[in-house]
Amino acid sequence: SAVISQKPSRDICQRGTSLTIQCQVDSQVTMMFWYRQQPGQSLTLIATANQGSEATYESGFVIDKFPISRPNLTFSTLTVSNMSPEDSSIYLCSVVGAARSYEQYFGPGTRLTVT
Amino acid sequence: AQKVTQAQTEISVVEKEDVTLDCVYETRDTTYYLFWYKQPPSGELVFLIRRNSFDEQNEISGRYSWNFQKSTSSFNFTITASQVVDSAVYFCALSQSSGSARQLTFGSGTQLTVLP
Repeated sequence: SAVISQKPSRDICQRGTSLTIQCQVDSQVTMMFWYRQQPGQSLTLIATANQGSEATYESGFVIDKFPISRPNLTFSTLTVSNMSPEDSSIYLCSVVGAARSYEQYFGPGTRLTVT
Repeated sequence: AQKVTQAQTEISVVEKEDVTLDCVYETRDTTYYLFWYKQPPSGELVFLIRRNSFDEQNEISGRYSWNFQKSTSSFNFTITASQVVDSAVYFCALSQSSGSARQLTFGSGTQLTVLP
């Protein structure tokens, strides 16, 4: 399994500001995903970030609000822009374990509170 | 479109009882993968099991067992002799296999509380 770290682990931000979340993997992976988990809710996929291509966003998520970078096979960032209290969530990155694997492993998450 | 339904929002049991968490899924794919994850209060998502649609054998891992029934589109999870440390939110998830897609569709989760 892949070991995934995220920074920051938690943050409290003011409305209107932006926060960039980093996701680091201990091995090279092609597929990386960003999920959001709103309080008491399930996980919802924000976007798929494959190295060398633009991120693919799910319905309801746009690049201007959640820009993603994927500069190499071990790292990605998600920015939550112009935050509002509705953005208060846990943001998780995940990777597929191996090229032919469907096992998906998750980072520890970033707990974001917007005031 | 894919969908995963976990009808049980919350379950509470007393330690040492057996408990079954239900998961029903919908997909048009003939090949797909099903998963269970555990989310303890600390928040991290712990991978428990992956099952592909061609393998309907039940699986047992220690106190955990999974019952996959394609005929009823169900993938239920049983914890035998539950322990307080089993208290967590459990998510069932579905992944399609077409093309390069690997993203997961999650159920709404079941909050399991095991009382001492």
